Amino acid sequence: NAGVTQTPKFQVLKTGQSMTLQCAQDMNHEYMSWYRQDPGMGLRLIHYSVGAGITDQGEVPNGYNVSRSTTEDFPLRLLSAAPSQTSVYFCASSYVERTEQFFGPGTRLTVL
Amino acid sequence: AQTVTQSQPEMSVQEAETVTLSCTYDTSESDYYLFWYKQPPSRQMILVIRQEAYKQQNATENRFSVNFQKAAKSFSLKISDSQLGDAAMYFCAYRDMNRDDKIIFGKGTRLHILP
Repeated sequence: NAGVTQTPKFQVLKTGQSMTLQCAQDMNHEYMSWYRQDPGMGLRLIHYSVGAGITDQGEVPNGYNVSRSTTEDFPLRLLSAAPSQTSVYFCASSYVERTEQFFGPGTRLTVL
Repeated sequence: AQTVTQSQPEMSVQEAETVTLSCTYDTSESDYYLFWYKQPPSRQMILVIRQEAYKQQNATENRFSVNFQKAAKSFSLKISDSQLGDAAMYFCAYRDMNRDDKIIFGKGTRLHILP
């Protein structure tokens, strides 16, 4: 049981490049979400999903796309990276029954 | 919209002493969950304690306990017998019981443990 996994752990991009942050969970959780963490800002919700085929926007969705084709995977796509997207990104999952979320180890992304 | 406020960006406590971290929230809902998460330097988010709004009894997990005041919308975390390993960033979080299930986090309190 690996829990929530994220790849890569670190990434450096140039402005305008695209990439996908991977997130997977093996706990059969319906709910998955992406957060970004910036100094002094706490965790801010980017996108979330309550099940396969269902996604919705969070607090800061601009510049990010998501899809949920399976229960296990919830990738986050940056279509054209900008320096403002430099941050630590966390993926999390839980059962829909309002229990606590389990977090992945995070991805530190730097956009030059 | 729901909001979570942690008014103490940083706090320090002497080892073995007790410290209380504050959290207030704003919601019009009556049923919800509240959480405290710990983030040590490793960056991993770790659940410390959870409180269901419909339960009047304050949650306790070993040295960690909460003071949940529903009418005041307050959810403070008390750490007893502070240990060096308690040094971390602590986040208060709110999760409502609507279908969208979003979790809202406060901005965090950095706790320093003084030896």
